Amino acid sequence: AQKITQTQPGMFVQEKEAVTLDCTYDTSDQSYGLFWYKQPSSGEMIFLIYQGSYDEQNATEGRYSLNFQKARKSANLVISASQLGDSAMYFCAMSLDRGFQKLVFGTGTRLLVSP
Amino acid sequence: EAQVTQNPRYLITVTGKKLTVTCSQNMNHEYMSWYRQDPGLGLRQIYYSMNVEVTDKGDVPEGYKVSRKEKRNFPLILESPSPNQTSLYFCASSFDGFIAKNIQYFGAGTRLSVL
Repeated sequence: AQKITQTQPGMFVQEKEAVTLDCTYDTSDQSYGLFWYKQPSSGEMIFLIYQGSYDEQNATEGRYSLNFQKARKSANLVISASQLGDSAMYFCAMSLDRGFQKLVFGTGTRLLVSP
Repeated sequence: EAQVTQNPRYLITVTGKKLTVTCSQNMNHEYMSWYRQDPGLGLRQIYYSMNVEVTDKGDVPEGYKVSRKEKRNFPLILESPSPNQTSLYFCASSFDGFIAKNIQYFGAGTRLSVL
């Protein structure tokens, strides 16, 4: 069965610094996708970044990058140059590439960016 | 503007009073899904739909019903709500449900309290 583990319930970072949010996953499938979503205090879920299991390069989207280590089954989110608006919950999720698309989510990491 | 629209955003009801949460997307997406979010549990899938008239259970379907009569709409029905269905609900859609890399776009969420 698929499983996503986020071991950091909360993280603190100062403005302008970089921060890494950890995510490990468990699946026996070879073809899958990994996603990160941001949930600000207003509650909506915002897609940030995607990494496919066969993608050779780490995904990047602006200040977000995904540190994908397939052998270790980890997909950590790196936020560079943190901003106050980055304070939010961050969820790692996985989808398998067979039959139907179901997102399995981790329990989330709350990031607080201080001035 | 491409979006997934949920209504209502907030709802307080009493045990046993039937309710419907509506979800509509304007992106011509084939795949739609409902999730519930509870503290410490992340998001869990309730039901999903691969296309019109094609629906199936997710991980936590008990106490919920769905229908997909039109491609754009995917309402969530609670026939007899109970307090354990108090939660934050999200509707999501993606281009199709067969490929892991298709990004799921989420509505703004519906916060439901059942007294």
